[in-house]
Amino acid sequence: GESVGLHLPTLSVQEGDNSIINCAYSNSASDYFIWYKQESGKGPQFIIDIRSNMDKRQGQRVTVLLNKTVKHLSLQIAATQPGDSAVYFCAENGGATNKLIFGTGTLLAVQP
Amino acid sequence: GAVVSQHPSWVICKSGTSVKIECRSLDFQATTMFWYRQFPKQSLMLMATSNEGSKATYEQGVEKDKFLINHASLTLSTLTVTSAHPEDSSFYICSAEGPRGDEQFFGPGTRLTVL
Repeated sequence: GESVGLHLPTLSVQEGDNSIINCAYSNSASDYFIWYKQESGKGPQFIIDIRSNMDKRQGQRVTVLLNKTVKHLSLQIAATQPGDSAVYFCAENGGATNKLIFGTGTLLAVQP
Repeated sequence: GAVVSQHPSWVICKSGTSVKIECRSLDFQATTMFWYRQFPKQSLMLMATSNEGSKATYEQGVEKDKFLINHASLTLSTLTVTSAHPEDSSFYICSAEGPRGDEQFFGPGTRLTVL
C-alpha cells in the first residue's frame, strides 16, 4: 500500500541546464555502482555504471563521479531535456551475492 | 540484447486469490534472477534471489510461504503471491543476472492491485 506523506526528493531544472543528482551509499565494501532511470510505470533502465577503482566515468551526456572517502556518488546530466524527466536511483553491489541495494531515488523534473 | 520480459504487465484480483507473475530472459540465460517490490514513491526493495534448480533465498521479513518463487529453467522465474490481500498491492519488478555476473537486466514490472 501507499505510505501517506512519503515523497521523493525532487530536483527541478530548466531545459538545457545541467543536472546533478547525488547519492550516499552505505557499504564501504561495495565495489560496483550503477545509476538507473525509472519512468512512471516502468522498470529501471540502466544509465551508467562505475567500479570502485575509478572516480569518474563518462557516457553520452552523463557523467558519474565516485568519492569513496565519503561514500558519495553523483550523476551529472548535461543539457537536460524533457525526456530526462524521471526518477533516478543509484544502486550499489557490495558483495559475493551480487545483490543490488537501491538508494531512495530522486525525481528529476525538467521545466521547458 | 539482454531483454527481460514480465507477464502480466498489470493484474487486478480479489482478496484471497493467488496471482502468478512470470519473468523471462528473452535472449540470454540467467542462472540467477531477482524479485523486487516497489511501493508508490519508494525505492525498489529486494524480496528474494531466485536460483535455477534450487530454492530461492528470501530477504529478511519476506514470507516465503506467501511469495512462492520457482526458477524452473534458465530463462524463466515465476513469483506467485498466495492468498493476496490489499496490502500486497504493489509494483513487482524482476531482474536477471547477466553473463558478466554483476549486472542485472530489469523487466518492465507488473502492477498488482488486490481488491
